[in-house]
Amino acid sequence: AQRVTQPEKLLSVFKGAPVELKCNYSYSGSPELFWYVQYSRQRLQLLLRHISRESIKGFTADLNKGETSFHLKKPFAQEEDSAMYYCALRSNYGQNFVFGPGTRLSVLP
Amino acid sequence: GAGVSQSPSNKVTEKGKDVELRCDPISGHTALYWYRQSLGQGLEFLIYFQGNSAPDKSGLPSDRFSAERTGGSVSTLTIQRTQQEDSAVYLCASSLGPQSSPLHFGNGTRLTVT
Repeated sequence: AQRVTQPEKLLSVFKGAPVELKCNYSYSGSPELFWYVQYSRQRLQLLLRHISRESIKGFTADLNKGETSFHLKKPFAQEEDSAMYYCALRSNYGQNFVFGPGTRLSVLP
Repeated sequence: GAGVSQSPSNKVTEKGKDVELRCDPISGHTALYWYRQSLGQGLEFLIYFQGNSAPDKSGLPSDRFSAERTGGSVSTLTIQRTQQEDSAVYLCASSLGPQSSPLHFGNGTRLTVT
């Protein structure tokens, strides 16, 4: 069965500090991994996806198949990064998206 | 163009009543998903529509929940005989199709069952 775990419910860091939001998954095939973000009073939106190998708003994420992880990283956190972050997996037969429980990131001034 | 639109944005209902939640996906998006977002529970998959194929209903929590999608566009999620545990934010999302396309979410409907 497909499963996504995010071990931290809440992560607090100071502005300018590095941040890493952890995501691990279980899936026997080749998944597609995503990070979605929900800012206060806004809809859930795509942040980045592993196949694009891009950096969005300074965030990057590398798919590590050996460790079955897709951790989200940013070297210098900003206050505007405070939000709820969800890691999501889609199977290689392209059906359902499975989401993790989410991590609330709080960047302190 | 416009994003995914959901209505109503808020719904308060009494236990035992039926409710209907509506989703208008982005034009041209063939895939439509319903999720439930509960406090501290993340996003729980409910149902998935892809084109004219039979929907994947594997996430519906009970037979009180049903959904339909008319004309491959608008979708309605119906909850019959609502219970207090049904209180949550119900999110709709659409995508261009099953392969390599991300989800676009609506703002959700906050359902409160009293």
